[in-house]
Amino acid sequence: QQPVQSPQAVILREGEDAVINCSSSKALYSVHWYRQKHGEAPVFLMILLKGGEQKGHEKISASFNEKKQQSSLYLTASQLSYSGTYFCGTGLVSSNTGKLIFGQGTTLQVKP
Amino acid sequence: EAGVVQSPRYKIIEKKQPVAFWCNPISGHNTLYWYRQNLGQGPELLIRYENEEAVDDSQLPKDRFSAERLKGVDSTLKIQPAELGDSAVYLCASSPGRINIYNEQFFGPGTRLTVL
Repeated sequence: QQPVQSPQAVILREGEDAVINCSSSKALYSVHWYRQKHGEAPVFLMILLKGGEQKGHEKISASFNEKKQQSSLYLTASQLSYSGTYFCGTGLVSSNTGKLIFGQGTTLQVKP
Repeated sequence: EAGVVQSPRYKIIEKKQPVAFWCNPISGHNTLYWYRQNLGQGPELLIRYENEEAVDDSQLPKDRFSAERLKGVDSTLKIQPAELGDSAVYLCASSPGRINIYNEQFFGPGTRLTVL
């Protein structure tokens, strides 16, 4: 049930773009994205819901393909502060508890 | 606005000893979560509370783990006795409202447990 994130790790230079993917084998109702810096708490980035509703930070862009049960997080013109581990958390259609299942994470390193 | 508070931040114990973690969620947040995060992995839900009621504890190893959320505010997670495999970061999170798939979760800094 755990979603699969890709790539596992990516290294960028400042100003470059990156895409992080999250894929589930189960029907999804929602996808949440969080970023965690080393030794710190995960921080909310975005929620995407089945049907197209989104909620999140203005500078973050993401998509949710309901047919493929996939979500992508788009990081454009990356900054040093974007470095960290990105997790997607998936809410299943079959679950009515609001439980999120998190992926294994994608580590992003932005270099000057 | 104060964030989610957890204590202690670090704990080192020997196996078979008991340990307890404390969490104070953001004021007004009905839902409280306890997660375990192993090194290099995403958070894994242990238990979720709606106010003082545990509504999802299917992932909690009930033979050694227990949790409570008295008065629907702060919460305690206990392990007794601890095993080597319990070494991990224990995260507490809270969110407003009850329909949680619509609401972001606010995480605390976590407690890093090392079992020797």
